[in-house]
Amino acid sequence: GEDVEQSLFLSVREGDSSVINCTYTDSSSTYLYWYKQEPGAGLQLLTYIFSNMDMKQDQRLTVLLNKKDKHLSLRIADTQTGDSAIYFCADGAGGYQKVTFGIGTKLQVIP
Amino acid sequence: EAGVTQSPTHLIKTRGQQVTLRCSPISGHTSVYWYQQALGLGLQFLLWYDEGEERNRGNFPPRFSGRQFPNYSSELNVNALELEDSALYLCASSDRDRVYEQYFGPGTRLTVT
Repeated sequence: GEDVEQSLFLSVREGDSSVINCTYTDSSSTYLYWYKQEPGAGLQLLTYIFSNMDMKQDQRLTVLLNKKDKHLSLRIADTQTGDSAIYFCADGAGGYQKVTFGIGTKLQVIP
Repeated sequence: EAGVTQSPTHLIKTRGQQVTLRCSPISGHTSVYWYQQALGLGLQFLLWYDEGEERNRGNFPPRFSGRQFPNYSSELNVNALELEDSALYLCASSDRDRVYEQYFGPGTRLTVT
């Protein structure tokens, strides 16, 4: 079955760049997503990338996709304390309606 | 514009009981998805409803069921609760033509004792 893996924890200093990495196994993935979950809140869709793209930039966020290695990354430039949250990588394969999530990476931003 | 709403926020049940969770999608969205977020397990896909019909379900036993109403709101029912059903249940919705953009509600925290 599909599997999405992420590291559990990342700590960065305010103002630095954060890079959160993810690997997935399903080669039929069509869309790959990044979601943000702040404490006590639901998931917020941050961005997504189609599998035929290598890179997508949206303000402070840059998504890189290496389809050959099945590797996805999220770079947050100029990381702020408000970026502290859990970031979920997700893989839209097996039909758009079924999304497989990683376990989430907790990002801690140190002032 | 209101986002996805869920009720209740928190729920405590005992083993063997039944529970119903509710979800209202974003206005204009016809698809509703249910996910379970258990501690240490990440998100697991439960069910997908669109236009009142169940379109797909994840690897969960039949005691997890649901339905979607004509106004596109949805219920998730869990029968014969077990301790491992304790989790955050998240509902998401999407537009029929943009199913790759799922917007999530705040979730319902279910504790089974």
